[in-house]
Amino acid sequence: DAKTTQPNSMESNEEEPVHLPCNHSTISGTDYIHWYRQLPSQGPEYVIHGLTSNVNNRMASLAIAEDRKSSTLILHRATLRDAAVYYCILRSDNYGQNFVFGPGTRLSVLP
Amino acid sequence: GAGVSQSPRYKVTKRGQDVTLRCDPISSHATLYWYQQALGQGPEFLTYFNYEAQPDKSGLPSDRFSAERPEGSISTLTIQRTEQRDSAMYRCASSFGRGETQYFGPGTRLLVL
Repeated sequence: DAKTTQPNSMESNEEEPVHLPCNHSTISGTDYIHWYRQLPSQGPEYVIHGLTSNVNNRMASLAIAEDRKSSTLILHRATLRDAAVYYCILRSDNYGQNFVFGPGTRLSVLP
Repeated sequence: GAGVSQSPRYKVTKRGQDVTLRCDPISSHATLYWYQQALGQGPEFLTYFNYEAQPDKSGLPSDRFSAERPEGSISTLTIQRTEQRDSAMYRCASSFGRGETQYFGPGTRLLVL
C-alpha cells in the first residue's frame, strides 16, 4: 500500500483556518486520497476524498497538488468540535487494496 | 438500521477464554470491515466481507482470530484462547460497496486480564 506521512500534531485557534498537510510521494495514478477523522472516544468518520481536482464539501476542502504527491485538508473555521485525529489515506481503485490508517495528525483547537 | 452498531460495548475476560464480538452494519451495505485499534494508534485492518464472502483475511493476527458473516448481514469476530495482547478496541465499519465511504460503529473495547 502506498504510504502517507503527516505531522504528529498541530494546534489551531478557534475560528481560524487550519491546513492539515499530507505527503504521499509514492502515489499511483489510480490512488484516491481520502481523509477521515476520529473524535475522542468515537469511531473514525469520513471527511472528504478526491483524485486530482480540488474538492469542497460542507465539512472541509481538499487541495491536491498538481503532481499529486501531497494534499492539504482545509478546515475553513476551526471549532472546538474539530479537535480530533485526522487520517490521510490512499485508496487504490484496485480492489485488492485496503484502507491503511497511519497514526494521523492530532489537531488541538484552542479557545 | 440508522448506523453501524456493535455489541457488547465493553468486554472483560480472562486470559484463555473465547470471546465473540458482534457487528450489525447499515442494512443496505454490502461490505463490512473489522479493524483492531490499540490506544493512541490508528485502526488496523483485520478482514472484510463482501456480502457473505470473505475475500481478505490478511490482517488477522493469528489463527485464533476468525470472523463470519453467514447471511451477508450481521458479522461476528471470534477470538479464541484470548491473550493479554488482544486487549484493544475492535471496530466494525460498513460501506455500500468496496472502496466506498466507510461508516464506523462505536467499537467494542476488549480487556483481557
